[in-house]
Amino acid sequence: AQSVTQLGSHVSVSEGALVLLRCNYSSSVPPYLFWYVQYPNQGLQLLLKYTSAATLVKGINGFEAEFKKSETSFHLTKPSAHMSDAAEYFCAVSDQDTGGFKTIFGAGTRLFVKA
Amino acid sequence: KAGVTQTPRYLIKTRGQQVTLSCSPISGHRSVSWYQQTPGQGLQFLFEYFSETQRNKGNFPGRFSGRQFSNSRSEMNVSTLELGDSALYLCASSSGQGSGNTIYFGEGSWLTVV
Repeated sequence: AQSVTQLGSHVSVSEGALVLLRCNYSSSVPPYLFWYVQYPNQGLQLLLKYTSAATLVKGINGFEAEFKKSETSFHLTKPSAHMSDAAEYFCAVSDQDTGGFKTIFGAGTRLFVKA
Repeated sequence: KAGVTQTPRYLIKTRGQQVTLSCSPISGHRSVSWYQQTPGQGLQFLFEYFSETQRNKGNFPGRFSGRQFSNSRSEMNVSTLELGDSALYLCASSSGQGSGNTIYFGEGSWLTVV
């Protein structure tokens, strides 16, 4: 079974600073990887998706992620944090087993943005 | 295009009762997945339905069940509620075919068991 590990349950940055949220995956086959964001009292919203078409994936709200096979990583970055980026971020992988496909989520990283 | 709709948004139940949550997927989506989200356990996969058939199931007790109707709408049911069932229950839909399907979430149903 495939899995993802998010390093750091909490990350705090200053407004305008670089955002870096870490995600490592475990997969024996080329994975489909996702980043989702969850704002308070809401469901999860898709930020971006890796499908092997390009290693650098651009998403919404200025976020991007780079797939690095050698490091089994798919870290999420944003050059300049905004207060509105404060939320919880989830890395996910699409997994297939005998029952079919399902999306497996990491534990999440809560991003705090300081003024 | 309307998104995934979940009802009710908030509910309070008493231990021992049962609850039914409803999910309407994005139009044209045939797959519906359910997740339980709690502060301690994160997002846990409950089950996935495709064309009225359960294709996948997570590690939850039999008190948790679901079904999908011919119009792809889905319900999940939790019987004999326990305090630990208090959580945000999220429904997600996708086309359901092929690997790497993107799933799209609803706003969730907040269940509090007292």
